[in-house]
Amino acid sequence: AQTVTQSQPEMSVQEAETVTLSCTYDTSESDYYLFWYKQPPSRQMILVIRQEAYKQQNATENRFSVNFQKAAKSFSLKISDSQLGDAAMYFCASKDSNYQLIWGAGTKLIIKP
Amino acid sequence: ETGVTQTPRHLVMGMTNKKSLKCEQHLGHNAMYWYKQSAKKPLELMFVYSLEERVENNSVPSRFSPECPNSSHLFLHLHTLQPEDSALYLCASSQSQGTGANVLTFGAGSRLTVL
Repeated sequence: AQTVTQSQPEMSVQEAETVTLSCTYDTSESDYYLFWYKQPPSRQMILVIRQEAYKQQNATENRFSVNFQKAAKSFSLKISDSQLGDAAMYFCASKDSNYQLIWGAGTKLIIKP
Repeated sequence: ETGVTQTPRHLVMGMTNKKSLKCEQHLGHNAMYWYKQSAKKPLELMFVYSLEERVENNSVPSRFSPECPNSSHLFLHLHTLQPEDSALYLCASSQSQGTGANVLTFGAGSRLTVL
């Protein structure tokens, strides 16, 4: 069965600095997708970034980038130039060919002004 | 207006009540999902509908009853719930096929409290 593990329940970073959130996963599939979602206090889950497992190049979306290490089954999220609006719960998730997204327990990110 | 709208935002109900949660999407998607989010636990997939047919039902108790009358609307009917059912219920939608099937758009959730 697929599992997703986020080992950091909470992280804090100074505004304008860089922070990395960790995620490891386990799957027996060869074709799968990985995601980072953000859930601010407004509660709406928002897609931050996604990575197709067959692509070796790390995905990037503006200040958000991932470090995808397929052999190590690691998928960390790097947030550069942290902003107050980045404060939220961040969830890592994996998906194979069916409808099931497997979610981590989340990391609470605190931004210090 | 968000692409996925959930009502009500908050609901308090007794264990003998019957209520419903509603979800509506304006994105032209044809797959819709119900998730349960409890404190300090990963999101739990409850139900999936694709092209208005239920394709996933993750051993959810029968006191939760989904309904998908068309591809834009999804309901979760609640009856004789237990206090442990108190949680945030999230609705999501996506395309049912292709790369769009991998990207879910979520609503803001319905916070349910069972007394």
